[in-house]
Amino acid sequence: QKEVEQNSGPLSVPEGAIASLNCTYSDRGSQSFFWYRQYSGKSPELIMSIYSNGDKEDGRFTAQLNKASQYVSLLIRDSQPSDSATYLCAGRSYNTDKLIFGTGTRLQVFP
Amino acid sequence: DAGITQSPRHKVTETGTPVTLRCHQTENHRYMYWYRQDPGHGLRLIHYSYGVKDTDKGEVSDGYSVSRSKTEDFLLTLESATSSQTSVYFCAISESERASTDTQYFGPGTRLTVL
Repeated sequence: QKEVEQNSGPLSVPEGAIASLNCTYSDRGSQSFFWYRQYSGKSPELIMSIYSNGDKEDGRFTAQLNKASQYVSLLIRDSQPSDSATYLCAGRSYNTDKLIFGTGTRLQVFP
Repeated sequence: DAGITQSPRHKVTETGTPVTLRCHQTENHRYMYWYRQDPGHGLRLIHYSYGVKDTDKGEVSDGYSVSRSKTEDFLLTLESATSSQTSVYFCAISESERASTDTQYFGPGTRLTVL
């Protein structure tokens, strides 16, 4: 069983809408979580990190962490076509201290 | 952008040949990582380093070796390339593995094709 699970998508949203990307994890001891954006043919780039339960906002992006439910999400407000990419969720393994990545969710924002 | 370069950016080789990929950083970060990315599997850790000459295995280390003789360089070697090692390889760096400084930044990637 993959330790970090994401729906592969594609998730299609209209321009200006809120895109909601979700991730679940199995390692209850995980403390750190990360969202990366990856454009086709490019390398992952960090969008957000979150360590505590609750919400963390940065511009149009909000990361949410619920450790009791083992659930991480990323909200993108006022979605733009330039947000179309694959979004990778990663959690730091409690046992190994290494990042475990989900397979990513492809987001399509249409005009 | 984090100061990470990878070379070569693209390589086509034949089964059974040795291949070395290089990762170079200008950030003086202690930790360096090699990942491979394949459809349906996401990013998987091959090897990592926590200092000069200090390396350890990741999730998919079979068929790969690494070396780090300088802080700034981390080499990944495929001793005898196989078609299953066709992939995109990413190097990443981080300052530490403690929360608040454990963010990993990725290099541009190397696309390797083994025929």
